[in-house]
Amino acid sequence: GAVVSQHPSRVICKSGTSVKIECRSLDFQATTMFWYRQFPKQSLMLMATSNEGSKATYEQGVEKDKFLINHASLTLSTLTVTSAHPEDSSFYICSAREIGGTYMTPLHFGNGTRLTVT
Amino acid sequence: AQSVTQLDSHVSVSEGTPVLLRCNYSSSYSPSLFWYVQHPNKGLQLLLKYTSAATLVKGINGFEAEFKKSETSFHLTKPSAHMSDAAEYFCVVSVDRGSTLGRLYFGRGTQLTVWP
Repeated sequence: GAVVSQHPSRVICKSGTSVKIECRSLDFQATTMFWYRQFPKQSLMLMATSNEGSKATYEQGVEKDKFLINHASLTLSTLTVTSAHPEDSSFYICSAREIGGTYMTPLHFGNGTRLTVT
Repeated sequence: AQSVTQLDSHVSVSEGTPVLLRCNYSSSYSPSLFWYVQHPNKGLQLLLKYTSAATLVKGINGFEAEFKKSETSFHLTKPSAHMSDAAEYFCVVSVDRGSTLGRLYFGRGTQLTVWP
């Protein structure tokens, strides 16, 4: 089946530093990737929609300058948390829709990244 | 507007007994509906999907769900729970048109606990 690889699975960084999270579709091409944030015991919150070769679309309330998204190829999207602060600590999950997919096409999810900012 | 309501935040069952996780949805357009499962510190895995074909949908690991348009429901069931079913379950809606084409709407999740 379609696999989405997300790295790193866990990262601890100091306040003020930047962290990059990678999301790769291993055996399919994805024109659209999504980035979510999940707080403990809560549902997924969509942060942004990333389309290959164009600028990401951010949800209301998500700071685009803080959460930089790059979707440079059909198999790779990256999320960079810039100048991280403890309140950015969370579980970040990416998902991808196969090229040519529609609203009926399930998304494939990465295994998430646990970010802890000290 | 689209929304998903998972009626129970927690469900506890004994191993070997039936599982029922309830989901109601609201959608202005024709929806596709999905159930995903999430184990701790993991991403989401697709259990099953409804896409306007058969209303009774069978998924992996013995789960199934029935789409009832009149009740706007898409409840997830399993005849006999297994310890490995303990996880968080999300009901998800996707719509076919409008500015939100293809966007997913998540329910808040239901934590399933299975007792031995």
